[in-house]
Amino acid sequence: TQLLEQSPQFLSIQEGENLTVYCNSSSVFSSLQWYRQEPGEGPVLLVTVVTGGEVKKLKRLTFQFGDARKDSSLHITAAQPGDTGLYLCAGSGPLSGGSYIPTFGRGTSLIVHP
Amino acid sequence: KAGVTQTPRYLIKTRGQQVTLSCSPISGHRSVSWYQQTPGQGLQFLFEYFSETQRNKGNFPGRFSGRQFSNSRSEMNVSTLELGDSALYLCASSLGEVTFFGQGTRLTVV
Repeated sequence: TQLLEQSPQFLSIQEGENLTVYCNSSSVFSSLQWYRQEPGEGPVLLVTVVTGGEVKKLKRLTFQFGDARKDSSLHITAAQPGDTGLYLCAGSGPLSGGSYIPTFGRGTSLIVHP
Repeated sequence: KAGVTQTPRYLIKTRGQQVTLSCSPISGHRSVSWYQQTPGQGLQFLFEYFSETQRNKGNFPGRFSGRQFSNSRSEMNVSTLELGDSALYLCASSLGEVTFFGQGTRLTVV
C-alpha cells in the first residue's frame, strides 16, 4: 500500500505569514493532486502536478512536485483567513484495470487568524 | 458543467438499520469512487465503479456495497449500521488521473 505522509498535521498562523506544507512518500506517483477541504464539505481540487520538478502557481499558492515524483510541497504567501481549511495531497499511480485510485495523506489542518 | 452531486446531504439512522446513498458524477465521467472520511482515519477508499462494474475495492467489510447504473450514477449501501459507521461519505468521479469530489453525505448513526 502506498502511503503519503503530510506535515505538519496542524498549523495555526496569523494573517500575512507565509507557510509551507509537505507531502512525502517512498513511492513514485505518476501524478499528485492537492485539495482543500472546508468542514462538512467535499475536497476541492486545487492543482494536479505530473512532471518531476514541476512548479505550478495559483495566485498566492505555489505547488512543487519533487524531481523523483515522490514528494510535493505547497507554499502559501501572505496567508489570509480564507485560506483556512484542511489541505490534502493525493498521489495517483496506474492500477490494474486502468484506474488511478488516489492515495490520500491525512491532511494539514490550517487556521489563519485575522 | 455540473459537479458531482450527492444526496442526501445529511442522514441520521439507528444502529442495525440500512442506508443507501446516491451519487451523480460529472457528465462524461465513467469512473465513480466512494470514500469514508472520519477524523481519526482520514479519507479511506471504499470502492470504485467503472462502466457498471466494480473495478477496485478497499478494505471494508461486506456490509458496505455499491453499484453503478448505465448512466454512471452510483449508489452505496451500508447494511446493519454500527455506531462506527458515522462519517462523511464522499463520492468522486474521475476522468483519467483527475478526481473531483461531491459535497458528501454526513451520516450519523445513533
